[in-house]
Amino acid sequence: EPEVTQTPSHQVTQMGQEVILRCVPISNHLYFYWYRQILGQKVEFLVSFYNNEISEKSEIFDDQFSVERPDGSNFTLKIRSTKLEDSAMYFCASRTVNSPLHFGNGTRLTVT
Amino acid sequence: AQSVTQLDSQVPVFEEAPVELRCNYSSSVSVYLFWYVQYPNQGLQLLLKYLSGSTLVESINGFEAEFNKSQTSFHLRKPSVHISDTAEYFCAVSERYNNDMRFGAGTRLTVKP
Repeated sequence: EPEVTQTPSHQVTQMGQEVILRCVPISNHLYFYWYRQILGQKVEFLVSFYNNEISEKSEIFDDQFSVERPDGSNFTLKIRSTKLEDSAMYFCASRTVNSPLHFGNGTRLTVT
Repeated sequence: AQSVTQLDSQVPVFEEAPVELRCNYSSSVSVYLFWYVQYPNQGLQLLLKYLSGSTLVESINGFEAEFNKSQTSFHLRKPSVHISDTAEYFCAVSERYNNDMRFGAGTRLTVKP
C-alpha cells in the first residue's frame, strides 16, 4: 500500500537556524497538509496546499513558515528561524478527492 | 469552522473490559468523521471513518463507532480491550465542502492487566 514518507525522522537544530522538513505524498494525491503535535498535546493544523498554492493556514502558520512543492513528488515545510517552541512532531498528510488523509510517520523537530 | 471535543483526556481500563471514548463535534455543514490511533513513538493511523451510509462503522481490530447526527457525536467503542490497545486516540472531523481536517485533543487509553 502506498505511503506518505517523511524525512528525516528526527531533526535537531539550534534556535535561529532554518530547517526544511521533507515529505513525499502518495503519488496520485492532490491535496497536501502539514500538522504539528507538541509533545503531549493535540494535533494542530498548520496548512493545506492544493494546485500549487496554499488553500488554508492556521494562526500558527506565521511568516516564519513556508511550504513548497518544488517538483512533482516532494512537499516541504520550511521554518526560517526556529524557536524553542517550534519543537514538536510535524506530520505531513495527503489525500485525493473525497478521501481521508493519509499521514506520514512524522518528523520530530528538536530546537535547542 | 468545524471543531472536535474529546471529553476524556485519559481513560484507564482493565484488560477485557469494555471501553467507550467520547467524541463530539460542531459544524454547520455535513461532515466526515474519523478516528485515528497513535501508538507510542509512532505516527497517526486511520482506525475507522464515517463518510456516508450506515452510521455504524467498524475497524478490523474490533473497534466500532456510531455517527449520531442529532447528538453530533461519534463515540468509539470496543467490547473487550487488549493490552495492545494502549495508545492515544484522536477523533477528527472534516467538512465535506473543503475536506480540511481538525482533530480533538486526544484520549489516552491505558489498558492494565
